Amino acid sequence: DAGVIQSPRHEVTEMGQEVTLRCKPISGHDYLFWYRQTMMRGLELLIYFNNNVPIDDSGMPEDRFSAKMPNASFSTLKIQPSEPRDSAVYFCASSQGQGGTEAFFGQGTRLTVV
Amino acid sequence: AQSVTQLGSHVSVSEGALVLLRCNYSSSVPPYLFWYVQYPNQGLQLLLKYTSAATLVKGINGFEAEFKKSETSFHLTKPSAHMSDAAEYFCAVSSGTYKYIFGTGTRLKVLA
Repeated sequence: DAGVIQSPRHEVTEMGQEVTLRCKPISGHDYLFWYRQTMMRGLELLIYFNNNVPIDDSGMPEDRFSAKMPNASFSTLKIQPSEPRDSAVYFCASSQGQGGTEAFFGQGTRLTVV
Repeated sequence: AQSVTQLGSHVSVSEGALVLLRCNYSSSVPPYLFWYVQYPNQGLQLLLKYTSAATLVKGINGFEAEFKKSETSFHLTKPSAHMSDAAEYFCAVSSGTYKYIFGTGTRLKVLA
């Protein structure tokens, strides 16, 4: 398996624009996670899915953020409208959801909002 | 609720010296614990994990960690640091809900 695949790797956008980040989890993994990494706040869990259903979105910062998982092999994280404080590295991870199994991370998307 | 505390956001060691990165956890149920490493501009890579089978866990690149329930700790060690160990290290806890909560990370610098 190619691992967790995220696209794009880098995104630069202007404030107010819509941004969509994409993730393809490892085949057979039941859980998918979206994290945000910043210098100030470290790695924050934004939302996670089990079998394509959102389980906990309490980490989503505001209504400007939304995430979907239309099928087992694809998820999106959308920010609309984007703001400079959304600049961060966004990671997608997936796991098998069995006790003690680890999460596998993608390479991340570095988002810069100017 | 689960949480992880990593003491020391930056640690510097000389090449060949002992590496000790500290992690304390909080969990209301028996936890699963993980150490990940992140190299610049890359994702997180698993170093090792504790799943209750053995309290001393060996991982990749010569790292190991010991689970101490009485101290709620899971410190990461390596007997002899190498220049290639310079990276950021994250401790994480998972229990029950299958989500992973990460500490704030420790950046390791290895001095020649």
